[in-house]
Amino acid sequence: ETGVTQSPTHLIKTRGQQVTLRCSSQSGHNTVSWYQQALGQGPQFIFQYYREEENGRGNFPPRFSGLQFPNYSSELNVNALELDDSALYLCASSLEGASEQYFGPGTRLTVT
Amino acid sequence: RKEVEQDPGPFNVPEGATVAFNCTYSNSASQSFFWYRQDCRKEPKLLMSVYSSGNEDGRFTAQLNRASQYISLLIRDSKLSDSATYLCVVNAGYIPTFGRGTSLIVHP
Repeated sequence: ETGVTQSPTHLIKTRGQQVTLRCSSQSGHNTVSWYQQALGQGPQFIFQYYREEENGRGNFPPRFSGLQFPNYSSELNVNALELDDSALYLCASSLEGASEQYFGPGTRLTVT
Repeated sequence: RKEVEQDPGPFNVPEGATVAFNCTYSNSASQSFFWYRQDCRKEPKLLMSVYSSGNEDGRFTAQLNRASQYISLLIRDSKLSDSATYLCVVNAGYIPTFGRGTSLIVHP
């Protein structure tokens, strides 16, 4: 067990709705990264937060946004959901920036 | 050309076999490299970091070739429990890029 937790485990939303996913990082880790993983693909980097600031962003539109809190937990918000947003959303925590990452179990989002 | 490329496989090998995967990357400024293992419908788990000098952990050996811009993972004496998808990760700055993974199936 990595100590990284995510909620909820599964979620079903309708196109156009908004969703918030949550992640608690491993104790002592100050960096959280979010990924989207479609079936049969590797995780795609959405963004990373370090000490409450966005530290890097992948090729995702602005309707994907996030927050990191003083306890280093994090949220991923997705507005105006599209069918293609259906995927496994993973968060990973680490110490500092580009070091080894430890993943949570993921949230499986289905958009209908 | 994709930033990080892996042969998706599957690699189908008998128990006890030696199998090797490669992962090529396009960004010559890449700084750190990792291999992860992902079981079906589970999260990726860190397998090992890849150092310039190469590194070994039991039956697993990882190597980095900066000149040719690839990393490799060698698994010796394959076990049934090694069946999984193996993902390589290449970091340039704060942007980690995953390959799509290589599927390994070890059969009796």
